[in-house]
Amino acid sequence: DSGVTQTPKHLITATGQRVTLRCSPRSGDLSVYWYQQSLDQGLQFLIQYYNGEERAKGNILERFSAQQFPDLHSELNLSSLELGDSALYFCASSLGQGHEKLFFGSGTQLSVL
Amino acid sequence: GDSVTQMEGPVTLSEEAFLTINCTYTATGYPSLFWYVQYPGEGLQLLLKATKADDKGSNKGFEATYRKETTSFHLEKGSVQVSDSAVYFCALYNNNDMRFGAGTRLTVKP
Repeated sequence: DSGVTQTPKHLITATGQRVTLRCSPRSGDLSVYWYQQSLDQGLQFLIQYYNGEERAKGNILERFSAQQFPDLHSELNLSSLELGDSALYFCASSLGQGHEKLFFGSGTQLSVL
Repeated sequence: GDSVTQMEGPVTLSEEAFLTINCTYTATGYPSLFWYVQYPGEGLQLLLKATKADDKGSNKGFEATYRKETTSFHLEKGSVQVSDSAVYFCALYNNNDMRFGAGTRLTVKP
């Protein structure tokens, strides 16, 4: 058990809808990262937050947004969903700002029908 | 931009066989290099890392050496077990950006 909790584990929705994925980092970790894993694109870094502030941005679409709350949990919001957004979304956490050692959650499997 | 290329799978080995999974990278400067492992139904776990040239990362019998001259970080294990069956990801971290390879699926048969 990595100590990173993601909910829900599975999410099925329709095109055009909006969903929110939630992540609780390991106790004491200040950074939260979001990754998207799909068969064709592999593992893609989306965005990182450190202690409530956006720290780094990767290949995140404008339809997607994230935030980190004062209690350090994070939410990833996906809107105007398309079939191609179907993927496994991972949250990871680390103590510091760098990617020195990431602890990954078990992921949220999103299916857009 | 930076990138990581690892050998395509799947790789199927018999128990106690020698394992090599090749990984090469393209990056400016001096990236840190990692191997992560993903077991079925789980998130990725850090397996080992190396932060500078000629460093050797090791863990659970796995080893990888940071070779700057060949821009490589190949993963090796002398004797694999069934429990090593998983997907292995090579990754680099450079300039606040983390890049993962496509992953190599390893299946070890008894």
